[in-house]
Amino acid sequence: GESVGLHLPTLSVQEGDNSIINCAYSNSASDYFIWYKQESGKGPQFIIDIRSNMDKRQGQRVTVLLNKTVKHLSLQIAATQPGDSAVYFCAEKSNTGGFKTIFGAGTRLFVKA
Amino acid sequence: EAQVTQNPRYLITVTGKKLTVTCSQNMNHEYMSWYRQDPGLGLRQIYYSMNVEVTDKGDVPEGYKVSRKEKRNFPLILESPSPNQTSLYFCASSSTGGLSYEQYFGPGTRLTVT
Repeated sequence: GESVGLHLPTLSVQEGDNSIINCAYSNSASDYFIWYKQESGKGPQFIIDIRSNMDKRQGQRVTVLLNKTVKHLSLQIAATQPGDSAVYFCAEKSNTGGFKTIFGAGTRLFVKA
Repeated sequence: EAQVTQNPRYLITVTGKKLTVTCSQNMNHEYMSWYRQDPGLGLRQIYYSMNVEVTDKGDVPEGYKVSRKEKRNFPLILESPSPNQTSLYFCASSSTGGLSYEQYFGPGTRLTVT
């Protein structure tokens, strides 16, 4: 069935290093992808999104890469800071499933000072 | 301030006692949705609504009901709660008219059913 998954459930990086969080999706009909950040005790917060007609999009310190050939999504965080410690979710929206949104299980990012 | 509010934030109840979790947004968003979050499973969509009087099932709708009588409100109803509905629940809203479908999430409601 449709699913959004992650390669690494836990990622630990040194402060100042770059972080890469990966996500695989199975539905080739998905046309929109989002990355969310969830801090402890809070609801998810939008980080960045990308449409299926793009392969890269940059924000402030974050970049999302989309590889439709292998159905892979990644989130790159530059110069990772302690405040980046959180759980990161990728999500996809399918253009054949109404407005249903499917989330991955999440990756926990630890930033070591 | 643009926000999604949920009430209550914490609720402990017993099996079979009907309950309602309210959700309200002040951004005039067309789209609203309910998710449950369980350890290791991420967020799973329960129900969503594209607009007033338009609702549809997500991936895990069993045991839940919703209604969308007003644009700003989207209550989640558990007619007969069971222990397997113990979870962290999030309401979210989004505009559907632009290029971004960014969802704004509420603070969550932690429900325990004994």
